[in-house]
Amino acid sequence: RKEVEQDPGPFNVPEGATVAFNCTYSNSASQSFFWYRQDCRKEPKLLMSVYSSGNEDGRFTAQLNRASQYISLLIRDSKLSDSATYLCVANRRGGSYIPTFGRGTSLIVHP
Amino acid sequence: EAGVAQSPRYKIIEKRQSVAFWCNPISGHATLYWYQQILGQGPKLLIQFQNNGVVDDSQLPKDRFSAERLKGVDSTLKIQPAKLEDSAVYLCASSLAGGATYGYTFGSGTRLTVV
Repeated sequence: RKEVEQDPGPFNVPEGATVAFNCTYSNSASQSFFWYRQDCRKEPKLLMSVYSSGNEDGRFTAQLNRASQYISLLIRDSKLSDSATYLCVANRRGGSYIPTFGRGTSLIVHP
Repeated sequence: EAGVAQSPRYKIIEKRQSVAFWCNPISGHATLYWYQQILGQGPKLLIQFQNNGVVDDSQLPKDRFSAERLKGVDSTLKIQPAKLEDSAVYLCASSLAGGATYGYTFGSGTRLTVV
């Protein structure tokens, strides 16, 4: 079983839709989490951190469920510019924090 | 602030040749990471440095890959000899305080094609 798993999609949604992605992690020692966005042929860029209490940044909401070992990303009112691959990251403690990325979920927002 | 610098941007080599990639992290970032990203997959951590010490290299194919960060600043990743399956984008990233709080900043990557 992979340490961090994501549904690769693609998720194909119309503009204005709400879409949610989940990401599961297998290592219970994972302590911090992030969502990254990666555009085609570009490097990943930090979208947002994921806090235990849940956090929101504009149209984006991230949540963490430690009991079930998953994190989620909700995008409201999707824009064409949200089309990208969304990568989740779990940091596990091992002397220092060691990050593991999921394979990413592809989102395509169409007119 | 200047970002993570990587060079070259592109490299095409024949199998069994050697290649080296260079990375200069953001100033003050003690942690440096090398990732391999194959098309359609997520970034796979090859090696993580804290200053000039190795934190994790469990997924580095040590028979052909090597990396160093001698002065705790810039780093090089080498492949010798290259195989066809090494074709990928090699991403360097850096972070403050091990990345747990503020995440990681990536360079633009080096796109390697082995023919």
